[in-house]
Amino acid sequence: ELKVEQNPLFLSMQEGKNYTIYCNYSTTSDRLYWYRQDPGKSLESLFVLLSNGAVKQEGRLMASLDTKARLSTLHITAAVHDLSATYFCAVDTNDYKLSFGAGTTVTVRA
Amino acid sequence: GAGVSQTPSNKVTEKGKYVELRCDPISGHTALYWYRQSLGQGPEFLIYFQGTGAADDSGLPNDRFFAVRPEGSVSTLKIQRTERGDSAVYLCASSWARTLSYNEQFFGPGTRLTVL
Repeated sequence: ELKVEQNPLFLSMQEGKNYTIYCNYSTTSDRLYWYRQDPGKSLESLFVLLSNGAVKQEGRLMASLDTKARLSTLHITAAVHDLSATYFCAVDTNDYKLSFGAGTTVTVRA
Repeated sequence: GAGVSQTPSNKVTEKGKYVELRCDPISGHTALYWYRQSLGQGPEFLIYFQGTGAADDSGLPNDRFFAVRPEGSVSTLKIQRTERGDSAVYLCASSWARTLSYNEQFFGPGTRLTVL
């Protein structure tokens, strides 16, 4: 059974500093997705990573994928308040079923 | 364009009752998925439709849960004899055909089901 582990589960960030969220998974896959979820809202797609070494950047967020290590990272540069949310990684091993991590709840403080 | 929509947004029911949750996917998306998200957890896969047929229903917890998509667009998730443990947010997602090299799924706002 595929296991997807995120850490940390909770992250308190100080504005202006840099942080990284880690996503490890247990089965070979070269398709990984990052989503953001605000409280009471649905999931918003952030990044689609489709191959080993893939790197995507949008604003202060950058995601990368190392399929050999079965690891993806989401790096946050110079955190700002509006990045407060829960971030999920999800792994796709069979073309349709996404297996999600438990999520990382991010709070950015002044 | 319109995203995935789900109705109702909230549903409160009593233990033992029957409920139906509806999902309208993005127009043109042939693949449709249902997930269940419990508090503090990531979504868990329930069922996947490609067109009208359920291609994988392995995530449905038991035979009280059933889903249909009769015309290949709107889908209904049906739960019989609801139990308190069914309380969760039920998310629907849709995507383009599986033949693409990836499977970015677009999620609806969810239906929050509370079983008293």
